[in-house]
This record gives sequence, C-alpha cells and structure tokens, in this order.
Amino acid sequence: QSALTQPASVSGSPGQSITISCTGTSSDVGGYNYVSWYQQHPGKVPKLMIYDVSNRPSGVSNRFSGSKSGNTASLTISGLQAEDEADYYCSSFTSSSTRVFGTGTKVTVL
Amino acid sequence: EVQLVQSGAEVKKPGESLKISCKGSGYNFTIYWIAWVRQMPGKGLEWMGIIYPGDSGTRYSPSFQGQVTISADKSISTAFLQWSSLKASDTAMYYCVKQLRYYDSSNSDCWGQGTLVTVSS
Repeated sequence: QSALTQPASVSGSPGQSITISCTGTSSDVGGYNYVSWYQQHPGKVPKLMIYDVSNRPSGVSNRFSGSKSGNTASLTISGLQAEDEADYYCSSFTSSSTRVFGTGTKVTVL
Repeated sequence: EVQLVQSGAEVKKPGESLKISCKGSGYNFTIYWIAWVRQMPGKGLEWMGIIYPGDSGTRYSPSFQGQVTISADKSISTAFLQWSSLKASDTAMYYCVKQLRYYDSSNSDCWGQGTLVTVSS
C-alpha cells in the first residue's frame, strides 16, 4: 500500500491562491469520496482541514477548499496568509478497508 | 471537554517491549474508533491501524500488520499500542486519533498530544 503522491513543496505570496495535489489510484482516492486533508505546524499536532473530499470542520477558514477529479484530490488555499505556512497531508480510504496518508507538502508563504 | 491524553515519552533499548496508552474522556469511548498514526523524525504521517473499543475490532495497515498490536480496554476508556520487540526504526512520535467513522475523518475527530518513543542502545 503506497503513500499517496503529493508535491514536496508549494509556495505563494500573501493573498495568492495555491493548490496542492494528492494523487492515488482507483483503489483509494479514485474509488471513494473519503479524502481528508491535515495541516501540521512544526512541533504541533496535525489539524483536520477537510474531510469527505470537500467538507470543512467547524472553525476551519473558508479559505480552505477541497475537490477531487479521478484519482487526484486537491486542496486549495485562497487568500494565502503567513499562518498558512505549514506541512499539509492528504489521506484516503482504501479498498483494503484501511487508510493511507500522502507524502506531505511543505507550503511556504513568500 | 473531549480529550485524548497519551502516556509520556519513552526511552527503550532495541529488543525491549513497550505498551503506550491513549485515554479518552468527555465522550462515549465505546462508540468512536481510535486510530494510531506514526511520524518518524522529520518525516510524514503514516496510518498504522484502528480499533473499535466497543468490540475491539481492529484493522491494520499492511505495513504495520504483525509489527504492532492495537488493543483497548473500554472499562478504563483507554486504547493501547504495543511492541513485543522494539527496533531503532520504531523511533517516532505516535498519535492516537478519535474518529466517528473508520473510513474517514469528520467534524468530531480529536487527536492526542502524541507520545515520543525513542529506541536506542
């Protein structure tokens, strides 16, 4: 069961929008609408940002949005802010009835 | 307040056994799944497995099947992650996560603070 593929890094200037991709297979991302996204600041506990592909938990800014097309899910951060600088991980349910995380993406705010 | 409180940091030698814990409070422990997630130093998140405390049903990632044991004692609202023989490569931060559904996160998720396990001779 391989980790989902994410770009190692994505950067953007304050106010811009960035998109992080998460590529899997038809046995995970493509087969289910059960993709989540997590934000992790250095030394901190991960925080859930998106679940079920595009749902935001209460308290999460609407600048964060999720989508999916085929075997690739995406997290878009609009109106990029300094506090968004962190690592981001996707996760998907799999055909083995387990879950798998992505490789992680470091977001840098220029 | 819903909380998951994990046991403290551990320093162990290769070959030793270890059992770390995750105690839930503020909610009905038996009807939420508890997942375990590994994060090796400077690396990403890895999903290890999950348990349903109500009936102790478990599911393991193929990468961790046979390497660790996940259990729970609902009488004390506590889930456990254990190793019978630690290796240096088990050095990592381990998180427990409360989940309503085994197949995805949801608004009711809650993470423990993490337990750092260091395995060194």
